[in-house]
Amino acid sequence: KAGVTQTPRYLIKTRGQQVTLSCSPISGHRSVSWYQQTPGQGLQFLFEYFSETQRNKGNFPGRFSGRQFSNSRSEMNVSTLELGDSALYLCASSLEGRDLDEQFFGPGTRLTVL
Amino acid sequence: AQSVTQLGSHVSVSEGALVLLRCNYSSSVPPYLFWYVQYPNQGLQLLLKYTSAATLVKGINGFEAEFKKSETSFHLTKPSAHMSDAAEYFCAVSASFSGGGADGLTFGKGTHLIIQP
Repeated sequence: KAGVTQTPRYLIKTRGQQVTLSCSPISGHRSVSWYQQTPGQGLQFLFEYFSETQRNKGNFPGRFSGRQFSNSRSEMNVSTLELGDSALYLCASSLEGRDLDEQFFGPGTRLTVL
Repeated sequence: AQSVTQLGSHVSVSEGALVLLRCNYSSSVPPYLFWYVQYPNQGLQLLLKYTSAATLVKGINGFEAEFKKSETSFHLTKPSAHMSDAAEYFCAVSASFSGGGADGLTFGKGTHLIIQP
């Protein structure tokens, strides 16, 4: 069974631009969560999607948004990029996002904002 | 609110020695606790999880962790370290009680495990 895939793996943008990251969950998984990982703040929960609906959201500004498609693939978008948005963005999928569902993480997209 | 504290951003042990990575949590409800490992340029891999079924949890690669409610701890151990254990380790807590949906994992800052030959 293929794992969680994220594209692109690396991305370089400049301040003020916007970016879209993609995540394809494991086949059959309907819940997709996004995390931001930085050296200073560590791993922080961005949001979670289930059945094309955002079900939970972390404490991030509105510049961070996402969506999920009917095939459970998810995208996250960051608008008006800031230097502090440079991070590794991890996507995780699980069957239904219930408490005991194991989350499987993708390799991440490393975003660098210049 | 919930939080996780991992004591020691870096831990160095000799190959063959005991590995002990410390994790303390704070949660207003009975927690679910997790340990993940991250190798360079890779995502997170689940090592083990506590779900209240047993206080001593055995995971992959010879790791285990013991849940101690009185100490609010969930320390990760391995009897004998291997060079391949060198990685970043994250403790995480989840306390989803919404009846559905992942509230997200709350992670500690991570501990970088160094194995000395």
